[in-house]
Amino acid sequence: AQSVTQLGSHVSVSEGALVLLRCNYSSSVPPYLFWYVQYPNQGLQLLLKYTTGATLVKGINGFEAEFKKSETSFHLTKPSAHMSDAAEYFCAVSDPFGANNLFFGTGTRLTVIP
Amino acid sequence: DVKVTQSSRYLVKRTGEKVFLECVQDMDHENMFWYRQDPGLGLRLIYFSYDVKMKEKGDIPEGYSVSREKKERFSLILESTSTNQTSMYLCASSFRGRGGGELFFGEGSRLTVL
Repeated sequence: AQSVTQLGSHVSVSEGALVLLRCNYSSSVPPYLFWYVQYPNQGLQLLLKYTTGATLVKGINGFEAEFKKSETSFHLTKPSAHMSDAAEYFCAVSDPFGANNLFFGTGTRLTVIP
Repeated sequence: DVKVTQSSRYLVKRTGEKVFLECVQDMDHENMFWYRQDPGLGLRLIYFSYDVKMKEKGDIPEGYSVSREKKERFSLILESTSTNQTSMYLCASSFRGRGGGELFFGEGSRLTVL
């Protein structure tokens, strides 16, 4: 079975500061991992995903995440926050050998302070 | 661009009324999903479908049914709404694959049951 834990339902950072959103997963098989972003009154869009290969994954809008198997983590980072990054972020996991549905975390709302 | 269109953005219904939420995708995706999004709970899978006329229960199917008569269309039906079904409903689609498929989401349908 797969599950995801996102630490911190709310994170606030100053504009220009480092963004770090935490995600830990549980999976009985090597997982595929995803980060999605949701802007107000919109659906979710993919930021980045890890399937196989390089463990540092780069996504859109300057975000990146690193798959660390030993820590069962897939934390999302961005070196310098921008006001437009304010949104809700969801980490998700899927079983590469099973069904195609994703299991989502409970989300982290990012606030960027000017 | 992939487009997933949900028929209604905002609905207000009274307890006991029937609700029909429609979702259409234009990328010939095999998989379609209905999720429910609630604050602090993230996204929870209601039903999904791998093919026409095929459906599988997700984590919270009680009180819901679905219909997939055509590949591009996946409908969520609430036969008799209750106040605890007040929520944001998100439709998504993806290609069938080994769990690495990106989900493409619609903008959501916010249902309020009075």
